[in-house]
Amino acid sequence: SAVISQKPSRDICQRGTSLTIQCQVDSQVTMMFWYRQQPGQSLTLIATANQGSEATYESGFVIDKFPISRPNLTFSTLTVSNMSPEDSSIYLCSAQRDRNTEAFFGQGTRLTVV
Amino acid sequence: DQQVKQNSPSLSVQEGRISILNCDYTNSMFDYFLWYKKYPAEGPTFLISISSIKDKNEDGRFTVFLNKSAKHLSLHIVPSQPGDSAVYFCAVAYSGAGSYQLTFGKGTKLSVIP
Repeated sequence: SAVISQKPSRDICQRGTSLTIQCQVDSQVTMMFWYRQQPGQSLTLIATANQGSEATYESGFVIDKFPISRPNLTFSTLTVSNMSPEDSSIYLCSAQRDRNTEAFFGQGTRLTVV
Repeated sequence: DQQVKQNSPSLSVQEGRISILNCDYTNSMFDYFLWYKKYPAEGPTFLISISSIKDKNEDGRFTVFLNKSAKHLSLHIVPSQPGDSAVYFCAVAYSGAGSYQLTFGKGTKLSVIP
């Protein structure tokens, strides 16, 4: 298994500002992902964080809104830019060692935009 | 269009009885299936998985059944305990080249009544 530390655990932000969420894994992993869970909804994949290159974004998510960094095999950040109340959600970092293995999750960041 | 459906948003079960959570998927290319449990204010925790070459996998009180022809999987918890009260997510994956990501259902909230 892998232990994933995510911070902050929660934040209340003003609209128009940006928040950067950090994700630290206790060991090297092949894949890191960022998900969003809106109230009453499933976990939706935002992007795959690629080590040393640009993230791969899913349909409906763009780099300008959700810039992602992954400087090494254990750390990634997700920035939610120019926030609006619609961005209020839980954001989750995930890591996987290999294909067809379980993904491990951080505890999530509960973001409220006012 | 949802690729993974958990049609029961909630389920209540008496302590000691069996809990059965269901999940349907649409794409026969999916070949790896997982169940996650999520407590409030925590990230999802991996429970159990099954690959498409099997139809059953058991781990203690948890058993996952896969019916490929029906594109259906289920999670059985027996006996159910109050600590099992959580939201359960079904997730599917396709092991095709370059693919790691998981697709999640919306979850079923299980309440185990003492």
